[in-house]
Amino acid sequence: EAGVVQSPRYKIIEKKQPVAFWCNPISGHNTLYWYLQNLGQGPELLIRYENEEAVDDSQLPKDRFSAERLKGVDSTLKIQPAELGDSAVYLCASSLGGLAGELFFGEGSRLTVL
Amino acid sequence: AQSVTQPDIHITVSEGASLELRCNYSYGATPYLFWYVQSPGQGLQLLLKYFSGDTLVQGIKGFEAEFKRSQSSFNLRKPSVHWSDAAEYFCAVGAMGAGNMLTFGGGTRLMVKP
Repeated sequence: EAGVVQSPRYKIIEKKQPVAFWCNPISGHNTLYWYLQNLGQGPELLIRYENEEAVDDSQLPKDRFSAERLKGVDSTLKIQPAELGDSAVYLCASSLGGLAGELFFGEGSRLTVL
Repeated sequence: AQSVTQPDIHITVSEGASLELRCNYSYGATPYLFWYVQSPGQGLQLLLKYFSGDTLVQGIKGFEAEFKRSQSSFNLRKPSVHWSDAAEYFCAVGAMGAGNMLTFGGGTRLMVKP
């Protein structure tokens, strides 16, 4: 069974440019998460989807970040415009949902903003 | 709100020695507790989890963890460390009634000496 797939794995852009990350969760997983992981720190939740509905986006900086999960499967996280401080790893995870189900993580997308 | 503290940022042990990684959590109700491992450039992999019942839980790769409510701790242990265990380890707490939202600690980087 395929795991959570993310692309691109690495992205280098100049500040003020836009960038987008794509995530394909494990088949059948209704819940999808985007986490931000700064260097040397633990992941921090940006947004959580239940099917196509964003049920928790309180930590998403909405002035420059946006996310969507069309048809409740794949998801895209966008940053426009990117700032130097956005350099980090963006992790996608999925789960079956329900209480305390296991989260399965992708390998992450590492963003470097110059 | 829940929080997780991993007091040790770095730990170095010799191969074959025992290991204990500390984790303290803050949460008002019964927590769900997790340990994840992250190898360089990889996503997070679940080692073990505690939901209820036996306070000593066994995980993959020979790891175990013990939930101690009185100490608000969930320390990870392994009796004999292998060189391949070198990685970053994250403790996380999940909140009942909050979906599967996990709050992660800052991580402990484990280095293994030959």
